[in-house]
Order: sequence, then C-alpha cells, then structure tokens
Amino acid sequence: GDSVTQTEGPVTVSESESLIINCTYSATSIAYPNLFWYVRYPGEGLQLLLKVITAGQKGSSRGFEATYNKETTSFHLQKASVQESDSAVYYCALGVNSGTYQRFGTGTKLQVVP
Amino acid sequence: GGIITQTPKFLIGQEGQKLTLKCQQNFNHDTMYWYRQDSGKGLRLIYYSITENDLQKGDLSEGYDASREKKSSFSLTVTSAQKNEMAVFLCASSQDKSSGNTLYFGEGSRLIVV
Repeated sequence: GDSVTQTEGPVTVSESESLIINCTYSATSIAYPNLFWYVRYPGEGLQLLLKVITAGQKGSSRGFEATYNKETTSFHLQKASVQESDSAVYYCALGVNSGTYQRFGTGTKLQVVP
Repeated sequence: GGIITQTPKFLIGQEGQKLTLKCQQNFNHDTMYWYRQDSGKGLRLIYYSITENDLQKGDLSEGYDASREKKSSFSLTVTSAQKNEMAVFLCASSQDKSSGNTLYFGEGSRLIVV
C-alpha cells in the first residue's frame, strides 16, 4: 500500500549546522503522488511547511528545501544552516486516493542546540 | 484566512464510555478529516468526509463513528473508550485537490481514559 518512512527521531543538531531529514515513500494507488512536509512548532498546531505536486520539482520554505525524486522515491528535507527556532516535529506525507487524503510518516523531532 | 476549532481540548472519560469530539471550520472547505496521533506512530486517518453527509473510512475507523451534518462541522465519536486509545485527535480540512490539497489542522483534542 501507500506509505511513508522518515528518519526516526529525536535528532539533535547544533545551531548553524546543516540538516537532512530523510523521507522515502511507497505509492501503489497513484504513480506520482503529491508530497508534503508539515511541521509542528512547540505550542502550535500542525501546519504545512512545503509541498511539491510535480515529480522532479523542488519546494522551499523558511530556508528548508525538498526535492521530489521519483527515481529514488524520496523527498528529503534539507536546510543548510539550522536555528534554534527550527526545533519542532516534522512530518512527511503523501497524497493518496487521487490526493483525497494524506498518509503521514511517524514524525521526526528536531532539537537545535546552541 | 480561516480557523479550525476543536472542542474540547481535553476529554476525560471512563473505560467503556461513548465520547464525542467536535470540530468546526470556517474556511468553507469541502473535505474534513479526523486523524489520530500516537507517540511514535505519526498520524493515522480515522474518517474523512468530502461533503456534507458523506463519510469515508480511513485506516483506523474501527471503534469510531463520525458525523458530518453541516459543511462546517465534523464530529468524531469513540464508541467505547479504552485505555489504549489515549491519544491526540486532530481535525483537518482541505479544499483544492488540484493545488495539492493542503491540510489545515486544528490544535488537537487529547483523550484521557480513566
């Protein structure tokens, strides 16, 4: 079935270091699913960070980037230099059933330390 | 902009009790969702509804009922609360499949079973 696997947390990174959170997907119901990263900052609700709906394209937001790679079925989240304010839980998700709903990964808790 | 309001924020009930969570959205979105969030398991879809009076089962619908009597509201009932059901329940809505169907989430309702 359709599923998402992402880096298990917690992940601890020092401020100004680079970050990559891995996300790979398996899509059987649709050839090119929409792909998403959502984020939950402490004390806030879950919200969209970025999305890509076309294979081969890159999405970006708040300094984060993710490229939709259909060959490797991956959608890794990257940032060149993290800040303490990036500490949050990050979820990778793919659209299933023609995009009607989304299936989520288990979430990766990121802690950025000074 | 809009908002999704979930009530109550905390729902405490006894084992075997029927408990109901409510969700209201003012985005005027067609589709609404209920997800369950367990630590280490990510978000799992319980029910969704693509329009008023429509109900679709998700991956985790057993033990739950849902109701969409109005476009703006979507309720979830735990038919017989169990202690292993203590989790956070997230309501979400979305509008436009063509743009990737971004989900907008409420802040969550925590279920506590005593």
